[in-house]
Amino acid sequence: DTAVSQTPKYLVTQMGNDKSIKCEQNLGHDTMYWYKQDSKKFLKIMFSYNNKELIINETVPNRFSPKSPDKAHLNLHINSLELGDSAVYFCASSRGISGANVLTFGAGSRLTVL
Amino acid sequence: GQNIDQPTEMTATEGAIVQINCTYQTSGFNGLFWYQQHAGEAPTFLSYNVLDGLEEKGRFSSFLSRSKGYSYLLLKELQMKDSASYLCAVGDSNYQLIWGAGTKLIIKP
Repeated sequence: DTAVSQTPKYLVTQMGNDKSIKCEQNLGHDTMYWYKQDSKKFLKIMFSYNNKELIINETVPNRFSPKSPDKAHLNLHINSLELGDSAVYFCASSRGISGANVLTFGAGSRLTVL
Repeated sequence: GQNIDQPTEMTATEGAIVQINCTYQTSGFNGLFWYQQHAGEAPTFLSYNVLDGLEEKGRFSSFLSRSKGYSYLLLKELQMKDSASYLCAVGDSNYQLIWGAGTKLIIKP
């Protein structure tokens, strides 16, 4: 009965590989997000979808491609992984767009690129 | 530009009170959030202020002054489990959340 679940929790891979992280929420929320948290613990928004429509697309390399097949799912695919992509990636959801709504976060996916 | 400032790290003693400050400069304001994040875990929601004043929730209280661009989170009767990072975030005029870098709170016995 986890509210926001993301898989995998840990991901170790070589530079140049392609990997995906999946996220699902069972809260009935309309809006989902991907955040990146680096070693300095700063949370940076990457993407936001509202009812499957992309509404926030921050300055992120186009090696990162989100996909939202329905409003309960938001996946993140990363091509040609680089060392600097090592971070914890958090999926989150909210009832509406984030500025006035509480975010519920998934447990995070720790990506290590060797 | 948009900016949120909060101290990087604070130390307090178990049973004491600590106040974590947050100042912000954003284009517009649609509320201020505090989240708690334990090491290795996800951030979890603590409080939301959109009007000036103090919101109390058990041992935690959050204060907002919109004219000063200032908020604080007050934690009373500190417990060891309160050791965590506390993140301040502000909703701007575009309804985007602007995040502070977080304050790492260390509780000592």
